[in-house]
Amino acid sequence: NAGVTQTPKFQVLKTGQSMTLQCAQDMNHNSMYWYRQDPGMGLRLIYYSASEGTTDKGEVPNGYNVSRLNKREFSLRLESAAPSQTSVYFCASSDPGAFFGPGTRLTVL
Amino acid sequence: SQQGEEDPQALSIQEGENATMNCSYKTSINNLQWYRQNSGRGLVHLILIRSNEREKHSGRLRVTLDTSKKSSSLLITASRAADTASYFCATVKPGTYKYIFGTGTRLKVLA
Repeated sequence: NAGVTQTPKFQVLKTGQSMTLQCAQDMNHNSMYWYRQDPGMGLRLIYYSASEGTTDKGEVPNGYNVSRLNKREFSLRLESAAPSQTSVYFCASSDPGAFFGPGTRLTVL
Repeated sequence: SQQGEEDPQALSIQEGENATMNCSYKTSINNLQWYRQNSGRGLVHLILIRSNEREKHSGRLRVTLDTSKKSSSLLITASRAADTASYFCATVKPGTYKYIFGTGTRLKVLA
């Protein structure tokens, strides 16, 4: 039982490049989330998915897109990365307590 | 804006002392949860308290909830150096699945 897994763990992008962050959970949870955490700050909700086939915007959705591929997987895409998107990204699923992945450290130069 | 705001922002205590941190929120909630984050790691769920509960215990943790004041407190008794971490509260609004986190309390327990 791996819980919530995220790939990659680290990524460096140049401004304007695109990438997809992958997230998978094996706990059969319906709800999944993407958060970003900036230094010294709490987590801000980017997008969430209450169930397979649905996605909704969170507090800071601009510049991001998501796909709930199936019940297990929820991906986050940056179409044209900007330095302001440098952050640590966490995926989570809930039951209802949230279980978090280890995070992806993204740097946009 | 953040739904939850923790207070204090930082707390430094000696091992063996109790640590209390508070969370205030703005709207009605379904439940409130507390999480711990060790430096550079993901968040770990500690405890969930529902809106119709007033107090909950889990080991050395005690959480209270006052919905009339829109506030919650987390008490860690007999703190240990291993409790050094950031602690966040998260709220879930009724009818939604959105977890909104506060900015956290950084706790340092000195050996």
